[in-house]
Amino acid sequence: DQQVKQNSPSLSVQEGRISILNCDYTNSMFDYFLWYKKYPAEGPTFLISISSIKDKNEDGRFTVFLNKSAKHLSLHIVPSQPGDSAVYFCAASGGNTPLVFGKGTRLSVIA
Amino acid sequence: DAGVIQSPRHEVTEMGQEVTLRCKPISGHNSLFWYRQTMMRGLELLIYFNNNVPIDDSGMPEDRFSAKMPNASFSTLKIQPSEPRDSAVYFCASSLGVGARKTQYFGPGTRLLVL
Repeated sequence: DQQVKQNSPSLSVQEGRISILNCDYTNSMFDYFLWYKKYPAEGPTFLISISSIKDKNEDGRFTVFLNKSAKHLSLHIVPSQPGDSAVYFCAASGGNTPLVFGKGTRLSVIA
Repeated sequence: DAGVIQSPRHEVTEMGQEVTLRCKPISGHNSLFWYRQTMMRGLELLIYFNNNVPIDDSGMPEDRFSAKMPNASFSTLKIQPSEPRDSAVYFCASSLGVGARKTQYFGPGTRLLVL
């Protein structure tokens, strides 16, 4: 039973446009959410996170939005660049428990 | 500063053989995690250690899988005997503590193919 779901396996976006990656979770105990980015032949790297006490966190071109009532979060990338092409993993945790990851969404930014 | 080091990077073996994957965490990190990535299941946590002690191995799929952390700078994940369905990319990650607010740093992974 997947506690963290990324329902879109892949997404293609034109360079310069906005990329929106979505993630849903089922566990009400989750209070911290993260996005990791993974390039081929490399391990995932931390991108951005958000605590459940916030509904938005921004870092440069990357913004994560959290809707607790809907148990939904999204990652916005504006503007998208070819170097953003990667697999993006959503992850969540509650308290001091380890991360639970989604299956990932492959983003392709087309020049 | 060196990141998480994993070896081998690629492993091809035949069904029934023993496979040992190795991981050296970032110096000073006290938590270590083993993950498996497959298309079907995404990134799954297999087991994690805190201060060299296994804390939760509920993600280990079967008794064929075992993991050890004999000291703070080394961990192994062993599969014996290996089966074709074990083919996946195995990642090791380390962090300063277990909670989500402690950033996990991943190694490059070991791509395992069991024929």
